Amino acid sequence: EIVLTQSPATLSLSPGERATLSCRASQSVSNYLAWYQRRPGQAPRLLIYDASNRATGIPVRFSGSGSGTDFTLTISSLEPEDFALYYCQQRSSWPLTFGGGTKVEIK
Amino acid sequence: QVQLVESGGGVVQPGRSLRLSCAASGFTFRSYGMHWVRQGPGMGLEWVAVIAYDGTNVHYLDSVKGRFTISRDNSKNTLSLQMNSLRTEDTAVYYCAKEYSSSGGSHFDHWGQGTLVTVSS
Repeated sequence: EIVLTQSPATLSLSPGERATLSCRASQSVSNYLAWYQRRPGQAPRLLIYDASNRATGIPVRFSGSGSGTDFTLTISSLEPEDFALYYCQQRSSWPLTFGGGTKVEIK
Repeated sequence: QVQLVESGGGVVQPGRSLRLSCAASGFTFRSYGMHWVRQGPGMGLEWVAVIAYDGTNVHYLDSVKGRFTISRDNSKNTLSLQMNSLRTEDTAVYYCAKEYSSSGGSHFDHWGQGTLVTVSS
């Protein structure tokens, strides 16, 4: 099973600041990695698929990069609605796995 | 718009069975792989099972293999999860999720709101 480790666990930032979230895989997942946003009481929302492709309707301030074992989600300038929980997920091999999440909170 | 509505959750004793359903609408259901993902209390997201668009291929999380069966009815736009021999560790909110591409690729662009399964004596 591929283990995904997200860091940091919590990121405390102010609106307008840049957020950089990390996801590290225990073995290569090529570019088969997605990022999701989850707000309280809502279902996860797909932000990025296959490492760097924005999903439909996702603002350009969200970008993904990386390949192999190291991946980054960047939010260029935090909007109030971006303060939420973020998960990464790999589809390279079964079972599909998720990271433990990074909470982006208001400083 | 895409809608996924789960049902069938509830409280059940260990060792008993439960069947979850997911009613899909707003897209061509028969063209997409579908998944079940769960989240236990205080836990992260855990993938459970997948079924290919035509039902010919399935995969399961090891801990549910032999106990859970995923199925679909493309004529009724319905996804199901038959859960047998339930354990306390199966307690979770169960979500159905749609693959983002009809070409395959197990990332999820739509999720249901979830149905709660509680396994307790």
